[in-house]
Amino acid sequence: NAGVTQTPKFQVLKTGQSMTLQCAQDMNHNSMYWYRQDPGMGLRLIYYSASEGTTDKGEVPNGYNVSRLNKREFSLRLESAAPSQTSVYFCASRPGQGLYEQYFGPGTRLTVT
Amino acid sequence: RKEVEQDPGPFNVPEGATVAFNCTYSNSASQSFFWYRQDCRKEPKLLMSVYSSGNEDGRFTAQLNRASQYISLLIRDSKLSDSATYLCVSDRGSTLGRLYFGRGTQLTVWP
Repeated sequence: NAGVTQTPKFQVLKTGQSMTLQCAQDMNHNSMYWYRQDPGMGLRLIYYSASEGTTDKGEVPNGYNVSRLNKREFSLRLESAAPSQTSVYFCASRPGQGLYEQYFGPGTRLTVT
Repeated sequence: RKEVEQDPGPFNVPEGATVAFNCTYSNSASQSFFWYRQDCRKEPKLLMSVYSSGNEDGRFTAQLNRASQYISLLIRDSKLSDSATYLCVSDRGSTLGRLYFGRGTQLTVWP
């Protein structure tokens, strides 16, 4: 039972490079989320998708784009990486609202030099 | 102001101690609440959901006070393995399914 998977696990980029973080879930969940986590800042929501075909901005969307490719996959793209985007990125999914758990992937550790 | 506020700690307690964390939320529309646990360099995982009258799961007790807009987590008989960061989480109940996370309270249990 894979749950939420993320690739890659680690990545080092130079300033200005682009990359896409991949996320997939096999639990048939409607909602998917991208967070970043920095020391002392907690989890901050970047973008989310309540259902296939829809995406919405979270707290810190600048510098990122997302694609909800289908119900399973939700990717996060950095078009021109900056050192301020050095962080741990978590993807998550959830069946819906209410007392439903949100499941997290193992995270991607990104360093931008 | 963040929607969910927690004391960041750190809390350092000996094995066997009882420790309590409090959390406040600012949006009275919040309907569901959770406690997540996050180990160092790992993803957050659900510890327990918080039901309206409070609930217990082994050594862990969660309580909700809607009038004062706070949630608490009590850990009894602390174990070394309880060392982690505990995240308080709320859900406004919208169809978007978005959760609001506190910054977490760090707990270290020492032998």
